Amino acid sequence: DIQMTQSPSTLSASVGDRVTITCRASQSISSWLAWYQQKPGKAPKLLIYKASSLESGVPSRFSGSGSGTEFTLTISSLQPDDFATYYCQQYNSYSFTFGPGTKVDIK
Amino acid sequence: EVQLVQSGAEVKKPGESLKISCKGSGYSFTSYWIGWVRQMPGKGLEWMGIIYPGDSDTRYSPSFQGQVTISADKSISTAYLQWSSLKASDTAMYYCARRHIEEYAFDIWGQGTMVTVSS
Repeated sequence: DIQMTQSPSTLSASVGDRVTITCRASQSISSWLAWYQQKPGKAPKLLIYKASSLESGVPSRFSGSGSGTEFTLTISSLQPDDFATYYCQQYNSYSFTFGPGTKVDIK
Repeated sequence: EVQLVQSGAEVKKPGESLKISCKGSGYSFTSYWIGWVRQMPGKGLEWMGIIYPGDSDTRYSPSFQGQVTISADKSISTAYLQWSSLKASDTAMYYCARRHIEEYAFDIWGQGTMVTVSS
């Protein structure tokens, strides 16, 4: 099975900050990497798919990059609505795995 | 509107069986894979398995193979997740989610079904 790690596990930031979250896969997953945002008591929301493609309706301050085993999610200017937990998710051979999550909270 | 609507919260005793549902609407239910995701209290997301309602092709995470059964009834656009004998450790929120038609990501999510197993 492919294992996913995320860093940091928690990130304290202020409104307007540039925020970067890293996700690493235990083996190459090409570009089959997605990012989700989850707020307390809510279902996850797809932000980015295929490593860098922005899901329709998602603000352009969110961007993704990477391929192979290392990926990043960047929020260019953190907004109040962005305080949440972020998960990466990989796909390989009919199997999906989520990363452990990164909680972005208010500094 | 494209949506997945899940069945309501359940409270069960250890050893009981359970089947929860996920009804799709606003799109061609048979053309998209539906996945199930577990979230234990205060924890992260875990992929359990996925089904293609068009032909009931089903894949399971090794962690959940043999522990749950995923099925679908395309005549009523509904996917299911079931347990034959619940354990306290099955207490969690369960989400169904639609896999993007061309990409390996989940673009539409149900609201979640909370399952509590307690004696």
